[in-house]
Amino acid sequence: DAGITQSPRYKITETGRQVTLMCHQTWSHSYMFWYRQDLGHGLRLIYYSAAADITDKGEVPDGYVVSRSKTENFPLTLESATRSQTSVYFCASSLGLAGGYNEQFFGPGTRLTVL
Amino acid sequence: KQEVTQIPAALSVPEGENLVLNCSFTDSAIYNLQWFRQDPGKGLTSLLLIQSSQREQTSGRLNASLDKSSGRSTLYIAASQPGDSATYLCAVFNQAGTALIFGKGTTLSVSS
Repeated sequence: DAGITQSPRYKITETGRQVTLMCHQTWSHSYMFWYRQDLGHGLRLIYYSAAADITDKGEVPDGYVVSRSKTENFPLTLESATRSQTSVYFCASSLGLAGGYNEQFFGPGTRLTVL
Repeated sequence: KQEVTQIPAALSVPEGENLVLNCSFTDSAIYNLQWFRQDPGKGLTSLLLIQSSQREQTSGRLNASLDKSSGRSTLYIAASQPGDSATYLCAVFNQAGTALIFGKGTTLSVSS
């Protein structure tokens, strides 16, 4: 199906383990984003990417690693998961950034629990 | 630092009412402003995007306005329906134009 997909949708892991969340979009959008959503904080940007092999930090990047070898994929890795990384993670994409009619479109989210 | 506030945090209305959701932002030098809908346990659905040069956008029963000088946007929902029950989020781009800054949302409940 066209659009933006995330996998897994639900994940339970333990403290210290490495976890990778996957994001795939079929629109050939240049920009892709990872946000986390927490009660009391709302949505916050973790990392974003302007194109393949171009990534940059957002507001809360510590403890996360991203890569973008292909335009359509933007995986997010938690190198050593901590309980504070328990959250709902959303991937998003857009054609461009601010300044044009560039809506961001969001995936369905991954609910991650770190025990 | 840009901050986005949405008031009220929750709103309950009977079916058929027209209603207004409010969004305010601290830095009026914004780019676009985007309204989203989020259903429980689901992702975000884009409703409307207003570019900084625009004053309003309409889609069906939804109308979003933007007043940059006062740092405010409103989302007007006409003839509300139970299916409109959801959390509505407003977001503006940060100063670098690289990321959306979100409000914490207004949770709307429309009773039949």
